[in-house]
Amino acid sequence: EDQVTQSPEALRLQEGESSSLNCSYTVSGLRGLFWYRQDPGKGPEFLFTLYSAGEEKEKERLKATLTKKESFLHITAPKPEDSATYLCAVRSSGGYQKVTFGIGTKLQVIP
Amino acid sequence: GAGVSQTPSNKVTEKGKYVELRCDPISGHTALYWYRQSLGQGPEFLIYFQGTGAADDSGLPNDRFFAVRPEGSVSTLKIQRTQQEDSAVYLCASSLVSWVRSHYNEQFFGPGTRLTVL
Repeated sequence: EDQVTQSPEALRLQEGESSSLNCSYTVSGLRGLFWYRQDPGKGPEFLFTLYSAGEEKEKERLKATLTKKESFLHITAPKPEDSATYLCAVRSSGGYQKVTFGIGTKLQVIP
Repeated sequence: GAGVSQTPSNKVTEKGKYVELRCDPISGHTALYWYRQSLGQGPEFLIYFQGTGAADDSGLPNDRFFAVRPEGSVSTLKIQRTQQEDSAVYLCASSLVSWVRSHYNEQFFGPGTRLTVL
């Protein structure tokens, strides 16, 4: 069974204070690792897909990286508008289109 | 174009009642997914449709839950004899489908329906 563990569960940063969120996963044949952002009362918003170890993707202040066991979402010089819950999810070779999510990291950026 | 829409946005019902939750996917998206999200948790997969058929319903918790997509567009999630543990936000997502198994098409989520069972 696919498993996704995210840490920390909550993170509070000062504006401009860079940090990283962790996603550890266990799957039988990774077919994609995904990062989503979720604002309160809304559905998740897609950020990145990573397929293989060593791959990196960037978008504004966010950078996602992938190893064989975990992924990191690096946030550089965050702003208050980056406050949200960041969800990590995986798709395995046995799951076809099924995606398994972690519980997320709730990020708060203080001005 | 328009995103994924879900109705109602909120539904309050009594234990034992029947409810229907509706999802309108993005036009042209053949794949449709239902998830359930409890407070403080990530979305939990329920069912996946490819066109009109349920390709994977392994996430449905029990036989009180059923979903249909008769014309390959709008989908309805049906819950019979609702229980308090069914209270959650029900999310719908849609995507294009790539028949290349190594490629994933991003899922676009709707705002969800918050179901409260009293």
